[in-house]
Amino acid sequence: GAVVSQHPSRVICKSGTSVKIECRSLDFQATTMFWYRQFPKQSLMLMATSNEGSKATYEQGVEKDKFLINHASLTLSTLTVTSAHPEDSSFYICSAVYGGNTEAFFGQGTRLTVV
Amino acid sequence: DAKTTQPNSMESNEEEPVHLPCNHSTISGTDYIHWYRQLPSQGPEYVIHGLTSNVNNRMASLAIAEDRKSSTLILHRATLRDAAVYYCILRGSSNTGKLIFGQGTTLQVKP
Repeated sequence: GAVVSQHPSRVICKSGTSVKIECRSLDFQATTMFWYRQFPKQSLMLMATSNEGSKATYEQGVEKDKFLINHASLTLSTLTVTSAHPEDSSFYICSAVYGGNTEAFFGQGTRLTVV
Repeated sequence: DAKTTQPNSMESNEEEPVHLPCNHSTISGTDYIHWYRQLPSQGPEYVIHGLTSNVNNRMASLAIAEDRKSSTLILHRATLRDAAVYYCILRGSSNTGKLIFGQGTTLQVKP
C-alpha cells in the first residue's frame, strides 16, 4: 500500500519558537494532503487541506498565521507551528490522497511538546 | 458530510468475532461508508469502505443495512493487535479525501 511518512515523530521545543513538521508521500504523488491535530483521549480534528502549488484551505477556528502550511511538491507538505505555546502541544497527523483513490493514507503522526 | 453515531467502547475476547455498529440515519444516496482504525500513538489506517453492498477484505467485513442508515464492521477473529479506536466516517462521492472524525469506538480485546 501507499506510504506516508512524517518527520519528526517526536519533537520538544521551547515556548515562543517555531517547529516544522514534514509529511511525505513516499511512493505516490499526492493530489491533496490534509493536516489533523489530536489532543489526548480526543478524536482527530481536521486543521487544513493542502493542494500542491496553492494556498491551503483552513478549517474554521484554525489560525492560518500560526499554522503555516506549504505544499511545494506533489510529495511533500509541511506544517510550521509558529510561536509555539504549551497549548499547542498535541499529536499532529497528516494524510494524503491521490487520483480518484477513495482511501486516505496517514502518516504515523508527530508528537509535539512545547515547554 | 452526514454524522455517524458509534458506541464509545466495546470489549471482545481474543479469537472471537467482533461486531462494531455505526448509525448514520442522515446518510445521503451518494455517501460512502468508510471505516478507519487508530492504534495507540499511531496515525489512522484504512480498514474498509462500501456504498450499498456488503464488502469483504483481508482485514474485515462491512455489513450495510438495506436502508443504509446503519452499518456494522465485523472483525472475524479479534486479536490483541486489533485493540484500537475504530472510526465510522461518511464520505461524499465528490469528497477528495477530507475525513471528519467522530469519537469512534474504543475496542478492547481481552486475552
